[in-house]
Parts: sequence; C-alpha cells; structure tokens
Amino acid sequence: DTGVSQNPRHKITKRGQNVTFRCDPISEHNRLYWYRQTLGQGPEFLTYFQNEAQLEKSRLLSDRFSAERPKGSFSTLEIQRTEQGDSAMYLCASSTADRGLETDTQYFGPGTRLTVL
Amino acid sequence: SQQGEEDPQALSIQEGENATMNCSYKTSINNLQWYRQNSGRGLVHLILIRSNEREKHSGRLRVTLDTSKKSSSLLITASRAADTASYFCATDLRSNDYKLSFGAGTTVTVRA
Repeated sequence: DTGVSQNPRHKITKRGQNVTFRCDPISEHNRLYWYRQTLGQGPEFLTYFQNEAQLEKSRLLSDRFSAERPKGSFSTLEIQRTEQGDSAMYLCASSTADRGLETDTQYFGPGTRLTVL
Repeated sequence: SQQGEEDPQALSIQEGENATMNCSYKTSINNLQWYRQNSGRGLVHLILIRSNEREKHSGRLRVTLDTSKKSSSLLITASRAADTASYFCATDLRSNDYKLSFGAGTTVTVRA
C-alpha cells in the first residue's frame, strides 16, 4: 500500500499525559499537512511542512503542540499535557504540486482518533 | 476559520436517485476540491476543479464551479448504498498557500 499511513489509529490517554502520533506520507510527496477534525465538523488546518521545513502553523496549534518532519520524510505530532478538548481525529495529508500548474491534490491518511479522559 | 459551507447538512435518498449538494465560499480561490469521508475514516479525494474551469466530470460525479457566485455543486448520479458518506468541499486559497479550508460537510444516506 503506497498511501499515507498514520499510527496509531486510536489512542486513549488520561488528561495531562503526553501523546505522539506518526504520519508516513506518500514517498515522493514533498509536502505534509496536519489537520484536526472534531465530531460533525470538517478538518481544520494545523500545520504544514515542505520537505523538512515547517512553513506555517495555525493559531489552533497552541504551545502544547509540536510537529516535526526530520529529513523531510515521516512526521510526528506531539501533544503535551493533553486536555479533554484535544479529543479529536488527527489527520495527516501529503501532496506534491504539479509542475507548472497551481494545483495541489492532498491525499489523506486514515487518521488517529485521540480520546482524552 | 472555515471558509466553505455545504448545503444541505444532511441528505437522504433512495438508491438510484441523484444527489446534489452545494458549497459556498467567501474569498477568491485557486481551486476547489471535493472529498468523501466514510464514518470514522480518512478523507478520499474525489475531484479537483480549478478556478478557471466551470464543470468537471469523473465517473458518476459532476462538479460545477461558479466563481462569480463563489459556489460549487457536486452531483452524484445513480446513487448506490456505497455512496453513503459525508462529503466535504475544500478550498485552496489564491496565494502561495497550500492549506485547505473545509466546510462542515453534507452527510448523504443512500437507502437500499
């Protein structure tokens, strides 16, 4: 399977604990995105990497959240001191721009569902 | 903040019928994309339409884009039970900014 993969698929944690999620993008894609989706809503942008550089962070990404993409391959999203409001589906997507065209189809992974008790 | 807004929020149809859902957005866009999400799963890319295109087809899907009205529609023809899912439009803003802004989605139920 050459799609975007995410691990773990489900995570249950207690409030105050730290959690880390991993995303493996499609191998030739240089862009990687993290989104968060709560029940009944569409995904909301969190952050975006081009290769290993983190180019943009949403104001939704508080200082308890950190994302990395070492060597421009897989990415990790860490949440420190989790709160019940962090409970959501965390989605990763990857893309590569078509050369010469301003298009950018993003391919999503299956997501990691986080439940904070 | 989310730029897209889908209408209706929910839609229930009989198998074989067509399903139409609309998306409105607020600012100029580079392109608009439609995604499908089955319950509790990730998003599947359906179709991308660029700002200079007016209509696009892919199998049983037909997407239109009216940039003057800042709206798009997704038509699913001859619906099947497997089309039961939530459908989201996502806009890619006109800038060197590739993040997508999603609406809240339309939940489609196809009854057998």
